[in-house]
Amino acid sequence: GQQLNQSPQSMFIQEGEDVSMNCTSSSIFNTWLWYKQDPGEGPVLLIALYKAGELTSNGRLTAQFGITRKDSFLNISASIPSDVGIYFCAGQIGNQFYFGTGTSLTVIP
Amino acid sequence: EPEVTQTPSHQVTQMGQEVILRCVPISNHLYFYWYRQILGQKVEFLVSFYNNEISEKSEIFDDQFSVERPDGSNFTLKIRSTKLEDSAMYFCAIAGTHDSYEQYFGPGTRLTVT
Repeated sequence: GQQLNQSPQSMFIQEGEDVSMNCTSSSIFNTWLWYKQDPGEGPVLLIALYKAGELTSNGRLTAQFGITRKDSFLNISASIPSDVGIYFCAGQIGNQFYFGTGTSLTVIP
Repeated sequence: EPEVTQTPSHQVTQMGQEVILRCVPISNHLYFYWYRQILGQKVEFLVSFYNNEISEKSEIFDDQFSVERPDGSNFTLKIRSTKLEDSAMYFCAIAGTHDSYEQYFGPGTRLTVT
């Protein structure tokens, strides 16, 4: 399957700090998605990106679809304790979605 | 956000037994998926289902697995002759309407094979 390299693997930040994580691949994707997963639950869709270069915001979250269509980043501004969780990127090719390895975020109050 | 329910929430089974995991999407979507997530690892694609047939499957989805929509609403994943390494969270997901192809996940079924 397609390999999506997500970094960093984990982050420990102070409440109020901004966060940035990214996802890269050697493959070109039609769509990039970012999900957040809490322990024992299913991934929850945060942002969907459909066009190369697209920059989309959802509250404190901002994500961009890389111009080469091989990468994407997610920024979280002014982090709060409830941002804790694992963030996954996912790329779509055809009728398959490939997931990144995840970024574990810990927010220290 | 579309709703997807899954049953059971937790299934414990003995090695060699068959299990059926169920997914009930509460909206009209075109594509259905099953994913697996072994504890602490990434989400892995198993199979996609469109128009009442498998459209794509991964190398994980071997003859041990099968999917169907027996009554046009429930979407099931059957795992035959379960193995210890089948223990994982299994997520159903839906995608595809006339407006978007955003993918939404159910809460998952935790399968424990003993």
